[in-house]
Amino acid sequence: GNSVTQMEGPVTLSEEAFLTINCTYTATGYPSLFWYVQYPGEGLQLLLKATKADDKGSNKGFEATYRKETTSFHLEKGSVQVSDSAVYFCALVSGGSYIPTFGRGTSLIVHP
Amino acid sequence: DTAVSQTPKYLVTQMGNDKSIKCEQNLGHDTMYWYKQDSKKFLKIMFSYNNKELIINETVPNRFSPKSPDKAHLNLHINSLELGDSAVYFCASSPEPGLYGYTFGSGTRLTVV
Repeated sequence: GNSVTQMEGPVTLSEEAFLTINCTYTATGYPSLFWYVQYPGEGLQLLLKATKADDKGSNKGFEATYRKETTSFHLEKGSVQVSDSAVYFCALVSGGSYIPTFGRGTSLIVHP
Repeated sequence: DTAVSQTPKYLVTQMGNDKSIKCEQNLGHDTMYWYKQDSKKFLKIMFSYNNKELIINETVPNRFSPKSPDKAHLNLHINSLELGDSAVYFCASSPEPGLYGYTFGSGTRLTVV
C-alpha cells in the first residue's frame, strides 16, 4: 500500500534559518506529491505539488523536488520567518485511488 | 465568502449524546470529504461523496453517518458519542476525487466529556 513518512517534529529554528523537512514515500504506480500547511486553528492549505519525477514545486519561497530514485519530496526554504510557524504535511495520491495518503505532519516553530 | 464552511466551530458534549456537524462548499466542486485529525495531528479520511454518491467509506464505526443532501453539502452525524471521538473534524472539497484542488474547511473541534 501507499505510505508517507515525515521527520518527527517539532522543528525549531531561528528567523532567517534554512529549513528542510524530510518526506519519503512508498507508492504503487506513479504518485503525485503534495505539501500542505496547517496554520494554528485553520484547515490545511495546499502549499505546492509535483506530478512527475524531477518536477519542482514551489510557492511562497518553499520548494520541493520529486525524486523518484530516492522516493523523496523534501520541503526546503532558504530563510524562514516567524509567520511560517505551522504544521506541514506531505501527501500523495497514486494508482488511480481516490484515497490520499498523508504523512503525520511536522510542526515548525520559528523564533524571532 | 468562505469557500468551505463548517458549523459549529466548537462542540462540547457529553458521552452518549448524538450530534451533527454541517459542511457547505460554494466552489461548485463535485467531491466532498470528512477527515478526522487526532491530538497528534494525524489526519485520517473517513468518508467521501462524489455528486451525492458515497465513494469512500473507510473503517469508521457505524455510529458515524454522513449525509449529502446535494453536492454542495456534506453533513456528519455521530450517534452515542464516546470519549475517543474527541478530535478535530475537517470537511474538504475538490473538483473531482483525488488530491487536486483540495480546499479544507477550518475544522470543528469536538470534545466529548
